[in-house]
Amino acid sequence: DIVMTQTPLSSPVTIGQPASISCRSSQSLVHNDGNTYLSWLHQRPGQPPRLLIYKISNRFSGVPDRFSGSGAGTDFTLKISRVEAEDVGVYYCMQATLDVTFGQGTRLEIK
Amino acid sequence: QVQLVESAGSVVQPGRSLRLSCAGSGFTFNHFGMHWVRQAPGKGLEWVAQISYDGSNEYYADSVKGRFTISRDNSKNTLYLQMNSLRPEDTAVYYCAKDDIGDEDAAWGRGTLVTVSS
Repeated sequence: DIVMTQTPLSSPVTIGQPASISCRSSQSLVHNDGNTYLSWLHQRPGQPPRLLIYKISNRFSGVPDRFSGSGAGTDFTLKISRVEAEDVGVYYCMQATLDVTFGQGTRLEIK
Repeated sequence: QVQLVESAGSVVQPGRSLRLSCAGSGFTFNHFGMHWVRQAPGKGLEWVAQISYDGSNEYYADSVKGRFTISRDNSKNTLYLQMNSLRPEDTAVYYCAKDDIGDEDAAWGRGTLVTVSS
């Protein structure tokens, strides 16, 4: 199984400041078809996960452009350019290149 | 728009069985593989099972292999998860999700809570 490791596990941030979450996979996420199936999801308390980013850097419809994804191979990053109050919650990376596995989650909280 | 709606959750005793369903709409159901993902209270996300668009292929997490069965009825646009020999550690919110789960076609349901307790 591909193991996904996120850092940090908790991130206190100030509203208006940037935030960054890293995700590392135990092996390359480049699929045989040439795509890299690395996604980011956001979950607010008591809510289902919301899809943010697919294939490393593509935002789902309705996702604000303050969210951006980057990376390649085994190392990936989610960045929020200016954190807003509604961004609190837990962020998960997910790989779907080989089966499906998730990172352990990163809790974003406001200072 | 795409909608995935799971059946109502339940409280079941350890060792008993339960079947979940997930009704899909807003897309051509029989063109897409489907998944079940679960989340234990206060924990992270865990992929449970996957079925191909036509039901010919099934895949399971080791934690549920031999106890859970994923199936689908394309005539009813419905996905199922038959859960047998339930354990307290199966207590979780169960989400159905549409393929491609890692691509722009992805969609998730809102989830249903299954509690395994005596």
